[in-house]
Amino acid sequence: AQTVTQSQPEMSVQEAETVTLSCTYDTSESNYYLFWYKQPPSRQMILVIRQEAYKQQNATENRFSVNFQKAAKSFSLKISDSQLGDTAMYFCAFMKRAGNTGKLIFGQGTTLQVKP
Amino acid sequence: GAVVSQHPSRVICKSGTSVKIECRSLDFQATTMFWYRQFPKQSLMLMATSNEGSKATYEQGVEKDKFLINHASLTLSTLTVTSAHPEDSSFYICSARLLTSGLTGELFFGEGSRLTVL
Repeated sequence: AQTVTQSQPEMSVQEAETVTLSCTYDTSESNYYLFWYKQPPSRQMILVIRQEAYKQQNATENRFSVNFQKAAKSFSLKISDSQLGDTAMYFCAFMKRAGNTGKLIFGQGTTLQVKP
Repeated sequence: GAVVSQHPSRVICKSGTSVKIECRSLDFQATTMFWYRQFPKQSLMLMATSNEGSKATYEQGVEKDKFLINHASLTLSTLTVTSAHPEDSSFYICSARLLTSGLTGELFFGEGSRLTVL
């Protein structure tokens, strides 16, 4: 069975600074997807960034980038130039490709507060 | 991007009544939809996988008779909480999968439905 662990329940960062959210996972699969989702106070889940396990290059989306360490099973999210609108709960998630089930396994979440 | 809509966004009901929550994919066909439950400040727990035209697959520990799922068309899945009790109060979220999601893994989420059982 796969597990996803986010060890930081809460974090805070000053506006315009950089923050890194940690995520580790456990799986015996070799081919899978990893995701970071954002859940703002509106509760709408928003995809922040996606990484395919077979790609060595770290994914980036504007101010968001990941540090994907496959051997260490680590998938951290870096938010640069933090903005007030980044305040949200962030979930790391895993999806295996085998079987193509589409099932997402979520971590516990990290609540990020961006301070003015 | 693809849009998934849930209705109602908030519902309050009396204990013992049944409540239906709808999940619609507005601009695409979804062969598979997923239902999650989320308690305050906690993670999303997958309840069941809903496939169009077939019975839903429930996760271990989820009562099939309590949470009835129907996926009658490629754009609509419904979750019915039967004989609701206060412990069923929660935030319920659906997600939908594009036919091409096997290539990208991406799912699209509804806005969620907050159920309060008095």
